[in-house]
Amino acid sequence: QLQLQESGPGLVKPSETLSLTCSVSGGSISSSYYYWAWIRQPPGKGLEWIGSIFHSGSFSYNPSLESQLTISVDTSMNQFSLRLNSVTAADTAMYYCARDVVGEGVYFDSWGQGTLVTVSS
Amino acid sequence: QSAPTQPASVSGSPGQSITISCIGTSSDFRSNDFVSWYQHHPGKAPKVLIYDVNKRPAGVSNRFSGSKSGHTASLTISGLQAEDEADYYCCSFGSSRTPYVFGSGTKVTVL
Repeated sequence: QLQLQESGPGLVKPSETLSLTCSVSGGSISSSYYYWAWIRQPPGKGLEWIGSIFHSGSFSYNPSLESQLTISVDTSMNQFSLRLNSVTAADTAMYYCARDVVGEGVYFDSWGQGTLVTVSS
Repeated sequence: QSAPTQPASVSGSPGQSITISCIGTSSDFRSNDFVSWYQHHPGKAPKVLIYDVNKRPAGVSNRFSGSKSGHTASLTISGLQAEDEADYYCCSFGSSRTPYVFGSGTKVTVL
């Protein structure tokens, strides 16, 4: 059974870099049928797709975030990571990692439990 | 690119059927096939209910069904149960610039 687990600091100072890692177990991140995605939900607001990455390193970012965003993948560790630079209070959110199905169908079929990141001094 | 519009809230009594709409634009629904729906209980991971407009993943109750007409996708919950009380989001495979766009979200209340 596939499991995804987010990890990283829960508190980040304004203007600094938010870094999160998603560890994947029960399946290979190198599968050809899946991208791997980050999605966030600010308090009281809806879901926002941040970006997705393939095991080869091919990626797609949300244009509203791409100037401050890097998503990377480490196939040897079966994990992928998010770096968001120059954060502000608006980046406070629950951050989820998810598996992005691109083979049969297009959707997010497995999600991590999420990790809350607060941007505050 | 703005988010597809969903009603902020929908309510129904146990056993009833409710429908949640997701109104987009031609760029939101670039393909006719790639609309998905997610159920989100606060504090838990979102769960996919419907993908590719009307397909259900294994293990999802057949009380959940999806459809699409023009620029409006819909999720219908039949035989409403207390456990269905949650937030629901549509997600479109939109423009090539922003592949995924989530709807604004709908809170479902079971009366």
